[in-house]
Amino acid sequence: QKEVEQDPGPLSVPEGAIVSLNCTYSNSAFQYFMWYRQYSRKGPELLMYTYSSGNKEDGRFTAQVDKSSKYISLFIRDSQPSDSATYLCAMRGSNDYKLSFGAGTTVTVRA
Amino acid sequence: GAGVSQSPRYKVAKRGQDVALRCDPISGHVSLFWYQQALGQGPEFLTYFQNEAQLDKSGLPSDRFFAERPEGSVSTLKIQRTQQEDSAVYLCASSSPGRDTQYFGPGTRLTVL
Repeated sequence: QKEVEQDPGPLSVPEGAIVSLNCTYSNSAFQYFMWYRQYSRKGPELLMYTYSSGNKEDGRFTAQVDKSSKYISLFIRDSQPSDSATYLCAMRGSNDYKLSFGAGTTVTVRA
Repeated sequence: GAGVSQSPRYKVAKRGQDVALRCDPISGHVSLFWYQQALGQGPEFLTYFQNEAQLDKSGLPSDRFFAERPEGSVSTLKIQRTQQEDSAVYLCASSSPGRDTQYFGPGTRLTVL
């Protein structure tokens, strides 16, 4: 079993819908949690970065971390066609530097 | 400002050929990472440099993979005697001292025939 599991896609939603993305993990040492967006044939781009448990909001994006359940989420409100991409969760321990990624969820927002 | 750049963007190799993939990190970034991303998967860690020192190469899949960063800036990932299972996108990332954010390049897509 992989250290980080991500809900498989693909997801297809109408424009304006809320997109909900999730990951679970098994390593209790993970302290830093990230969401990356990856457009086709591009490198991952950091969207959200959180430390330990809690919520973080940035514009239309909200990241949630529940360390007790080893579960993280990303919500995208008022989704736009330009949000169509693959979303990757990533995480690492406090004394670590390498990131452990989920497999990614491909999202399509239909105009 | 310039981000992380990688070259070539695409590489096709015949099985058994050697390849070299280049990464130019963001200027001033001391940390440099290589990841391998198979089709439909997330990136997997290969190796990590701090300046010119290779501090972790635990993710390199075999001794056919070799990475260097001789002057603490540009890095090269070399794959000897390529195999079909080496086909993947190779991503380079860099980060600045004291910052956690890793900035990724566009990747090199390697196809081994």
